[in-house]
Order: sequence, then structure tokens, then C-alpha cells
Amino acid sequence: SQTIHQWPATLVQPVGSPLSLECTVEGTSNPNLYWYRQAAGRGLQLLFYSVGIGQISSEVPQNLSASRPQDRQFILSSKKLLLSDSGFYLCAWTGTGYNSPLHFGNGTRLTVT
Amino acid sequence: QKEVEQNSGPLSVPEGAIASLNCTYSDRGSQSFFWYRQYSGKSPELIMSIYSNGDKEDGRFTAQLNKASQYVSLLIRDSQPSDSATYLCAFGGDYKLSFGAGTTVTVRA
Repeated sequence: SQTIHQWPATLVQPVGSPLSLECTVEGTSNPNLYWYRQAAGRGLQLLFYSVGIGQISSEVPQNLSASRPQDRQFILSSKKLLLSDSGFYLCAWTGTGYNSPLHFGNGTRLTVT
Repeated sequence: QKEVEQNSGPLSVPEGAIASLNCTYSDRGSQSFFWYRQYSGKSPELIMSIYSNGDKEDGRFTAQLNKASQYVSLLIRDSQPSDSATYLCAFGGDYKLSFGAGTTVTVRA
């Protein structure tokens, strides 16, 4: 069966520090990979998605970036965090089927201080 | 992102009652529709998917889709305290899903 791992679970970072969140998927090949953010009491905002190695689509212009160095690995990064980057970051995957549902990792709760 | 509107909450129902959740979407080209449940502090988990007009039942959950009205709903029958959570509807069709803000349901014993 497929599993998705996301770490760390919680993170407290000062403003201006860098960020690296990592996500890996097991048990499937060539998944579509996603990064979502959920601000407190808000809905899910799609940040990036990838349909293949090295292919990244950005949905929201901001100081975050994403990379997919391997088929089942997705990384979210920032060079300098802002207070507004605080939130619950969720990595997710779908199969290659056009209408496949999203399956989420456990999330990373980021607090920028 | 494409718009998704969910009925405002919170929704409080007694144990054993039916909880009714509604969602409308803006993109007529959407092909896939999902309901997710999110417990406080946790990530969303998929509870229902529906792709065709009509009803789909899975245990105590029933999803209803009406593409002409751009409307999808979720009924939770025999509500249990463990159903207390935020329910998110989502729709998509081009490798991306758009989510509603969620409706928080509280089942009171």
C-alpha cells in the first residue's frame, strides 16, 4: 500500500531564517505531488504541484519554492521566512489517473517568530 | 483558484441525527468531487469521492452530486461523537483540487 511521509511535524523558526520541508511517497511510481498550506481557521491553499521529476508548477507567487529531485520526493523551501509563512503545510500525492483523489501526509505545523 | 462555497458553520447536531453539508462550485468543467474530514490539528482524510450525478452511499455517508446545479452535498446518518470534525469539499479535473473553507460539525451526546 502507498504511504506518504512528511517531516518535521512541528517547526519554530525565526523571521529571516531558511526553510526546508521534505516529503516522500512509498508504494507507487510517478505520483503527482502537491504542497498545500492551511492558515489558522482557513481553507487549503495550493502552493505547488508536480507531475514529474523536475516539473514544478507554482500557484501562488511568494517567497517559497519547491523542487522534485527524485520521483517520489518533494521539497518545499524558503531562503528567508516571513511571519505570514506561519501555517500548517501539507504534502499530498495522487496517482496518475486524471481524477485521482489527494492523499495527505501528516503535515508540518510551522510557526515563524 | 476556482471558487468553492460551503455552508457556513458551525453545525451542531444531536447524536443519532443526520448532519447535512452542502457545497457549490464555480467551474462547470470539474470532473471529480471529494469530501474530506479533518480532525482538529490533523491532516484531511478522504471519506468520499463522487464523479457522476446522483447519490453514492458508503456506510453512514451519502454524497449527492448535481452537476447542472453545480452542487454537491454530504449526509452523515446516525451521527456519532467521533464524527465531530471539519468537513472539506473539494473539486477538480486538471490534476488540481480546489477546497472549500470547511464546515465544522459537532455531534453532541
